Amino acid sequence: SQTIHQWPATLVQPVGSPLSLECTVEGTSNPNLYWYRQAAGRGLQLLFYSVGIGQISSEVPQNLSASRPQDRQFILSSKKLLLSDSGFYLCAWSVTTGSNEKLFFGSGTQLSVL
Amino acid sequence: DAKTTQPNSMESNEEEPVHLPCNHSTISGTDYIHWYRQLPSQGPEYVIHGLTSNVNNRMASLAIAEDRKSSTLILHRATLRDAAVYYCILNSNSGYALNFGKGTSLLVTP
Repeated sequence: SQTIHQWPATLVQPVGSPLSLECTVEGTSNPNLYWYRQAAGRGLQLLFYSVGIGQISSEVPQNLSASRPQDRQFILSSKKLLLSDSGFYLCAWSVTTGSNEKLFFGSGTQLSVL
Repeated sequence: DAKTTQPNSMESNEEEPVHLPCNHSTISGTDYIHWYRQLPSQGPEYVIHGLTSNVNNRMASLAIAEDRKSSTLILHRATLRDAAVYYCILNSNSGYALNFGKGTSLLVTP
C-alpha cells in the first residue's frame, strides 16, 4: 500500500531563517506531488506541483521554492522566512490526472515564524 | 476554473443525517464533483466523487442535481468523529491539481 511521510510535524523558526520541509511517498512510482499551505482560518492554497523529477510548477509567486530531486521526494524550501509564511503545510500525491484524480495528503507541518 | 460555494458552517446532532450543500453553477460538462474532509490538525482525506449520477460509498452519499449546478453530500448518521471541514471541489481536465476553498465546518453535538 502507498504511504506518504511528511516531517517535521511542528516547526518554530525565526524570521529570516531558512526552511526545508521534506515529503516522501512509498509504494508507488511516478506520482504527481503537491505542496499546499493553509493559513489560519483560510482554505487550502496550492503552492507547487510536480509531475516528474525536476519538473516544478508554481501556482503562487512567493518566498518559497520547491524541488523534486528523486521520483518520490518533494522538498519545500525558503532562503529567508517571513512572518506571512506561517501556516499549516501539506504535501500530497496522486497517480491519475484529469477529472478522476484523487489526492492523498500527508499529516502536515505546522510552521510558526516568529 | 469553475468555483464552488458552500456555507461556512453547519451544525448537526449526533446520529442524525447531515446534508451538506454545494453550489457550482459554472460547472462544465467534464467536471467531476469531488468531496474531501479535513479533521482537526490533519490533512484532508478523500470522501467521494461523481459526475452525473448519485454515488454511494462506505463514508457517504453524493446527490447530484439533474442540471449539475449543485450537489449534496449526505452523511447518513453523523457521529462525533464526523466533525470536520468538508470541501466540495470541481476537478476539470484543465489542470493536474485541485484547488480547495474554505469548505463547510461541520459541528456535531451529542
